[in-house]
Order: sequence, then C-alpha cells, then structure tokens
Amino acid sequence: NAGVTQTPKFQVLKTGQSMTLQCAQDMNHEYMSWYRQDPGMGLRLIHYSVGAGITDQGEVPNGYNVSRSTTEDFPLRLLSAAPSQTSVYFCASSPSDRGSDSPLHFGNGTRLTVT
Amino acid sequence: SQQGEEDPQALSIQEGENATMNCSYKTSINNLQWYRQNSGRGLVHLILIRSNEREKHSGRLRVTLDTSKKSSSLLITASRAADTASYFCATRRGATNKLIFGTGTLLAVQP
Repeated sequence: NAGVTQTPKFQVLKTGQSMTLQCAQDMNHEYMSWYRQDPGMGLRLIHYSVGAGITDQGEVPNGYNVSRSTTEDFPLRLLSAAPSQTSVYFCASSPSDRGSDSPLHFGNGTRLTVT
Repeated sequence: SQQGEEDPQALSIQEGENATMNCSYKTSINNLQWYRQNSGRGLVHLILIRSNEREKHSGRLRVTLDTSKKSSSLLITASRAADTASYFCATRRGATNKLIFGTGTLLAVQP
C-alpha cells in the first residue's frame, strides 16, 4: 500500500515555464488537497477536491490549476512559474469529506525552485 | 490567512523532559488536530480532539482544548531524541475536511 505518492521529488524551473506536479493515492480517498509550505508560514491550502469532478479554491489558489478526473489522481499545474512559487508542495488525502473526523494522509512533498 | 499560531516557534529540551506546545486559533472549529513533520518528510497525523472534548491522551501525548480561549496545547511526556520534529496544529471548520494549519513549533530533543 503506497499511500500518497508525489512526483517529482525535486524540480527546478525557469520563470515562465509550466509544469504539473503529480499526486496519486491508492486508498480510494474521496478528499484530496494541495498545500504549499514556506518558512515561517506553515502550510497554506492551494486547492482541494471532495471527489472526482469537483474542485475548489483554498487560501492561495492564484497561479495554480487543478483537475480531478479520477478518484486516484489530483495533479497541480503551474501555468507560468514565478519565483514566488518556490516552495515545498504537499499533497494530502482523507477517506471522506463530510461528516467525519478523518485525518489527512500526506505525501513526502515536491521541492520546487523557480529561478 | 493562517487559522492557527503555534507557540513557541522553537523549543529545545533534554531527553526525558516534557515538551509543551501551544496553538491558538481565530474562529469556531469542529475539531483540532496535531501533526508531526520530520525533516524532509510529509506530515503525520498524531491526535485529534473534537470541539466538545477538553482533553485527550494517546501514549505519551496529551492534548487539551479550551474553546473559550480558542487554544490547544500538546504535551509530550518523557521526550526522546526521536521526537525531534516540527509540530503543527490544524483546525477544521464547518462540514468540509479543509484543514487550516498553524505555523508550527520546531522541537529539538537533545540526547
């Protein structure tokens, strides 16, 4: 049981480039989310999804797109990378969204540097 | 905007001592959760306390919640070097599982 898998582990981009951070979970979790972690800022929610075909914005959605075509996958797209998007990105999932106290299961993160 | 703030930002103790971390939040919550993050890794869930609970235990962990003060504390008893990590509180509001995290406490346990 792999849990939440994020790829790549490290990525360097030039300003203006685009890329997709991959997230896959094999636990049949309904809820998936993306966070970014910056020093002194804790984790901030970018986007989340309560099920296939449903996504919504979190605290800091600008510059990022998401889609959820399957239960397992929740990719995060950077359309035109900026140095301010240099961060560590975490994908997290939980069994269900409403009516439960399900904790989040985290991947090990993608460290992104934008030069 | 950040929902939770942890205090202190950093804490250094000796092995065997107790470590206490505090979390304050701004709005009403359904539950509050604590997570641990080892260096270079993802977060791992430690314990959850519901808004109608005041105290919860799990092994060497004790969590308290004071909804009137909008604050929580995490106590780790008899700390070990392996407890060295960052600790985050996270709050859940409303029906969604959208968790809002605090800024974290970096705990260093000296052997």
